[in-house]
Amino acid sequence: DTGVSQDPRHKITKRGQNVTFRCDPISEHNRLYWYRQTLGQGPEFLTYFQNEAQLEKSRLLSDRFSAERPKGSFSTLEIQRTEQGDSAMYLCASSLLAGILETQYFGPGTRLLVL
Amino acid sequence: DAKTTQPNSMESNEEEPVHLPCNHSTISGTDYIHWYRQLPSQGPEYVIHGLTSNVNNRMASLAIAEDRKSSTLILHRATLRDAAVYYCILRDVRGAQKLVFGQGTRLTINP
Repeated sequence: DTGVSQDPRHKITKRGQNVTFRCDPISEHNRLYWYRQTLGQGPEFLTYFQNEAQLEKSRLLSDRFSAERPKGSFSTLEIQRTEQGDSAMYLCASSLLAGILETQYFGPGTRLLVL
Repeated sequence: DAKTTQPNSMESNEEEPVHLPCNHSTISGTDYIHWYRQLPSQGPEYVIHGLTSNVNNRMASLAIAEDRKSSTLILHRATLRDAAVYYCILRDVRGAQKLVFGQGTRLTINP
């Protein structure tokens, strides 16, 4: 399967701990997006990269959140000092910018539970 | 980003057509209409998109009203695998590339 992969699929942590999630996009895709989804809601945009450059960050991305895409391939999303409100599904998507509009391909997500 | 309105839930029977409506009365001339769906325990997946004309692909059809203020996603013959949350999203070609999801329509398919 050559789709978007995310690791881990599930993470349980205690409040105050740091967590890091990884996303491996589809090969050759130059754009990578992070979204967050809470129960019963649609996904909310957090940030996106074009190659290794982070081009937009949502105001949802507080200073406890940091995302990187060091070589324009995989990306990591780190949450420092986790809070119970961070419990959500974290989704990664990738796309190939080749025209006016690109289709985003989503991974299965990482479900985070903060106790 | 322009706002869309969808029913919270719909129900249909297997092997029957399903029409999922979306209202977008404030759509601008540069907004494309996109549909994504999210199967249980999965990330969203692209279904179809269009600008003015009706569109067909292997998954579905998209019917766009003449004034573009509404659209309908059509699943011609629903299967149990089509049970999902369907999101109607407007994307301005001039603006950001992020997807702005609403709450979508939860489609239930009865066997």
